[in-house]
Amino acid sequence: AQSVTQPDIHITVSEGASLELRCNYSYGATPYLFWYVQSPGQGLQLLLKYFSGDTLVQGIKGFEAEFKRSQSSFNLRKPSVHWSDAAEYFCAVVAPTSNAGNMLTFGGGTRLMVKP
Amino acid sequence: DAGVTQSPTHLIKTRGQHVTLRCSPISGHKSVSWYQQVLGQGPQFIFQYYEKEERGRGNFPDRFSARQFPNYSSELNVNALLLGDSALYLCASSGRGNPYEQYFGPGTRLTVT
Repeated sequence: AQSVTQPDIHITVSEGASLELRCNYSYGATPYLFWYVQSPGQGLQLLLKYFSGDTLVQGIKGFEAEFKRSQSSFNLRKPSVHWSDAAEYFCAVVAPTSNAGNMLTFGGGTRLMVKP
Repeated sequence: DAGVTQSPTHLIKTRGQHVTLRCSPISGHKSVSWYQQVLGQGPQFIFQYYEKEERGRGNFPDRFSARQFPNYSSELNVNALLLGDSALYLCASSGRGNPYEQYFGPGTRLTVT
């Protein structure tokens, strides 16, 4: 079974600083990879996804992520953080060959706080 | 297009009661999945339905059941509620392009007392 680890539970950055959120997965092959963002009390919004091809993917709100097969990682980055980026971020994977439908497996999340 | 909608937004139930949560997918989406998100954790997969058939089931007890209707909306039912069932229940839909690309609703916050 696949698993996802987000090593950082909380991260605080200053507004305007760069950001990198870490995500590592465990799966026998290359899964499909996603990043979602969740504001307090809200549902999840899809930021970006990776299925195949170019390992650097662009998403909404100025976010990007890079898939590194050798490190089983899919880290999320943003060059300059805005106060409105404060939220919880979840990395998720789908095993495309699984018999569990399109089940997403999520990491535990990283809470991002932005200092003015 | 309207996004995924869920009802109710919040509800409070007592232990042992039954609850039904509802979800309407994005127009044109034929697959609906349900997730449970306990406070402070990532969502956990409960069920996936596609064309009214169950396509996936997570590690949840038989007290949890779901169904999908001909209009692709879905219900999640939980019987004999326990305190540990208190959570945000999220519905996601997918389809039309890539079945693995899921879009989430705002969730239903269930509190069991």
